[in-house]
Amino acid sequence: RKEVEQDPGPFNVPEGATVAFNCTYSNSASQSFFWYRQDCRKEPKLLMSVYSSGNEDGRFTAQLNRASQYISLLIRDSKLSDSATYLCVVTDKLIFGTGTRLQVFP
Amino acid sequence: DTGVSQDPRHKITKRGQNVTFRCDPISEHNRLYWYRQTLGQGPEFLTYFQNEAQLEKSRLLSDRFSAERPKGSFSTLEIQRTEQGDSAMYLCASSSRQGTDTEAFFGQGTRLTVV
Repeated sequence: RKEVEQDPGPFNVPEGATVAFNCTYSNSASQSFFWYRQDCRKEPKLLMSVYSSGNEDGRFTAQLNRASQYISLLIRDSKLSDSATYLCVVTDKLIFGTGTRLQVFP
Repeated sequence: DTGVSQDPRHKITKRGQNVTFRCDPISEHNRLYWYRQTLGQGPEFLTYFQNEAQLEKSRLLSDRFSAERPKGSFSTLEIQRTEQGDSAMYLCASSSRQGTDTEAFFGQGTRLTVV
């Protein structure tokens, strides 16, 4: 079983839609969780950290469910510029999921 | 430029040759990570360092791969006897170990093509 698993998508959504991604992890001792964004042919960049109590940054909301060992990312009011691959990252050594591709269309 | 830099940006090599890549992390960062990424996949963890100590090496990494960070600053990744399956983007990232909330910054990567 992979340490971090994500649905690869693609998720094709219209502008203004709300979309959610989930990510499951296998190591119950994991302490650090992040969402990264990667644009085509670019390096990954941190989107947001994920805290135990859940956290929000503008249109983006991240949540952690330790009991079920998954984290989620919710994007509200999708913009064309949100089109990218969203990578779930777990633990100090930064294990990445395969990424979920999002395509927002007009 | 004070970001993570990788050299070279592109490398084309013949099968069987050895290649070495360099990564210069952000100067105050004590953690350095190497990843390999192929099309449609997320970055695959290879190894990471805290200062000069190599803390972990992926079991997926064959003995042909070796990484060093001799003075706890820059790092090199060497691939010996390259194979066509080694063709990928090799990414380096660095972070400052601060509790459990550590943002990693990536370099632009070295794209390796083995012909």
